[in-house]
Amino acid sequence: GENVEQHPSTLSVQEGDSAVIKCTYSDSASNYFPWYKQELGKRPQLIIDIRSNVGEKKDQRIAVTLNKTAKHFSLHITETQPEDSAVYFCAASKWNKLSFGAGTTVTVRA
Amino acid sequence: DTGVSQDPRHKITKRGQNVTFRCDPISEHNRLYWYRQTLGQGPEFLTYFQNEAQLEKSRLLSDRFSAERPKGSFSTLEIQRTEQGDSAMYLCASSSTIETSVAYEQYFGPGTRLTVT
Repeated sequence: GENVEQHPSTLSVQEGDSAVIKCTYSDSASNYFPWYKQELGKRPQLIIDIRSNVGEKKDQRIAVTLNKTAKHFSLHITETQPEDSAVYFCAASKWNKLSFGAGTTVTVRA
Repeated sequence: DTGVSQDPRHKITKRGQNVTFRCDPISEHNRLYWYRQTLGQGPEFLTYFQNEAQLEKSRLLSDRFSAERPKGSFSTLEIQRTEQGDSAMYLCASSSTIETSVAYEQYFGPGTRLTVT
């Protein structure tokens, strides 16, 4: 089955700086890579996703890049704000179930 | 609220008891997924339905677990003879799938937190 590894497990950044979270996946057939943000006690919320026919996607302050050859994908958050503090999960999918990474706890210091 | 809803939000039960959770997906979403999330981990896939058909079950889903989606709308997840290791957040997600071989966005419910004492 698919195995997704996520790094780092915790990330502390100064407000206004950038945050980068990296994931690797094992199944070369995976072709859909969403990112979820989960605040304490709340549901995972889809923030951005990318498909294997695209190398990069951007939505305001967040962007995702995908390297299919290396089986890497990354989340980039620019100009971080206190409300970006949360746990972020990457995931990979072929066409049905999602396989998630273990999560990255991001803390934005004011 | 037109999002995915789950009931109950919290459930405390004694070991050996049976519990049942309900998930109402976003209206007209034809796929419904169950995941389990333990503290400090990402959600783990349990099972999913395409309309009323259960198409895949994880090896995590022991014989004590059963899920149904009888009319292709809401779904129930039952755990029989609960064990302390079943304590977790049980998350439901739904998606609108047009082509069966393509992955679509999954939207999650708030989860049911199960505590087995």
